[in-house]
Amino acid sequence: EPEVTQTPSHQVTQMGQEVILRCVPISNHLYFYWYRQILGQKVEFLVSFYNNEISEKSEIFDDQFSVERPDGSNFTLKIRSTKLEDSAMYFCASSAGPYNEQFFGPGTRLTVL
Amino acid sequence: AQKVTQAQTEISVVEKEDVTLDCVYETRDTTYYLFWYKQPPSGELVFLIRRNSFDEQNEISGRYSWNFQKSTSSFNFTITASQVVDSAVYFCALSEGASGTYKYIFGTGTRLKVLA
Repeated sequence: EPEVTQTPSHQVTQMGQEVILRCVPISNHLYFYWYRQILGQKVEFLVSFYNNEISEKSEIFDDQFSVERPDGSNFTLKIRSTKLEDSAMYFCASSAGPYNEQFFGPGTRLTVL
Repeated sequence: AQKVTQAQTEISVVEKEDVTLDCVYETRDTTYYLFWYKQPPSGELVFLIRRNSFDEQNEISGRYSWNFQKSTSSFNFTITASQVVDSAVYFCALSEGASGTYKYIFGTGTRLKVLA
């Protein structure tokens, strides 16, 4: 069964460092998303991506964040200069259409020290 | 504004009991979608069900059933004869297109503990 994959599963970084979180969405899906979940809290929307551009971003998704689909299969989230409060689980999701259910990857746990 | 409320933070039941998880939503859109996801201790988000705003039929899938009532803006989830493996955090989510994309708005989740 096709699934969304994410790497790495856990990333530890120092404050101020850049991190890139990688995702491989389900191959025939066209809509891509990043969400984050601070430990013990709800899942929050960060950004949606369709047709090679951002379609919507939340207030959390400031200038320190960027997304890219560099090669037609990977979907990346970059945080340029990490802060302590960026520590969270980051989930990638994809869907076949805008109204379809989103399938989530297993998440990348980001720890900023 | 869109909002999803899961008022039950944590529920504990004994195995084989039935349990209902509540979800109340707010939206101004007439076309929207509701979802339930399960987050087991391993952390992934597992899709359970999707409902659109025009389909108020209740749904049953094995031990799971969902009750969608537009009149009360609720989309409740019942597990019949609960099992220890049902222990997880359950999230209700709303998706609507008013903002331009069908992003999810999640509730805060309900942690279900099923005791043997």
